[in-house]
Amino acid sequence: DQQVKQNSPSLSVQEGRISILNCDYTNSMFDYFLWYKKYPAEGPTFLISISSIKDKNEDGRFTVFLNKSAKHLSLHIVPSQPGDSAVYFCAARWAGAGSYQLTFGKGTKLSVIP
Amino acid sequence: NAGVTQTPKFRVLKTGQSMTLLCAQDMNHEYMYWYRQDPGMGLRLIHYSVGEGTTAKGEVPDGYNVSRLKKQNFLLGLESAAPSQTSVYFCASSYGGGTNQPQHFGDGTRLSIL
Repeated sequence: DQQVKQNSPSLSVQEGRISILNCDYTNSMFDYFLWYKKYPAEGPTFLISISSIKDKNEDGRFTVFLNKSAKHLSLHIVPSQPGDSAVYFCAARWAGAGSYQLTFGKGTKLSVIP
Repeated sequence: NAGVTQTPKFRVLKTGQSMTLLCAQDMNHEYMYWYRQDPGMGLRLIHYSVGEGTTAKGEVPDGYNVSRLKKQNFLLGLESAAPSQTSVYFCASSYGGGTNQPQHFGDGTRLSIL
């Protein structure tokens, strides 16, 4: 059973507009959430993260929002640029002794149209 | 700075053959991980290591073995390859398991088993 779900396989956005990527999770023991960005033929690269004790974290054009009651997080990219076109993975870490494992969603392919 | 380097980048095997995938990191990270990514799927953790000489099972460990004889290297072995192990394999490393210590990924090894 998928514990981290990215229900939109793809998203197209005009350059300059806002991109919103969504992620839902089912395990209330997750305490830390991350977004990774992946270009073709490359490994994922860390983008931004948020602790479960916060509801927002911002880094430049990227903002992650966390709604714990809804078990939902989203990544906002403003303004979107063509170089943002990539697959974005949401990941979550379980809060437990000795647990260093991340659970990944299936990813959302973002296409930013010039 | 090379970061995380995976060798080889591509490999084709016949069913029943064995092989070892090498991961090397030059960031002096304690933790290392092996993931597989299948089409339309997120990354799934195979095995991980929290330090030299230690290994632990992840979500999908069957059919794989690992070794961490040196801090900078993490080897993934397939003793008897099966078509179900056709996948892209990613290695990652991190300084620790803390919330401000994200995982850094290599560019992957694409493995096909006929």
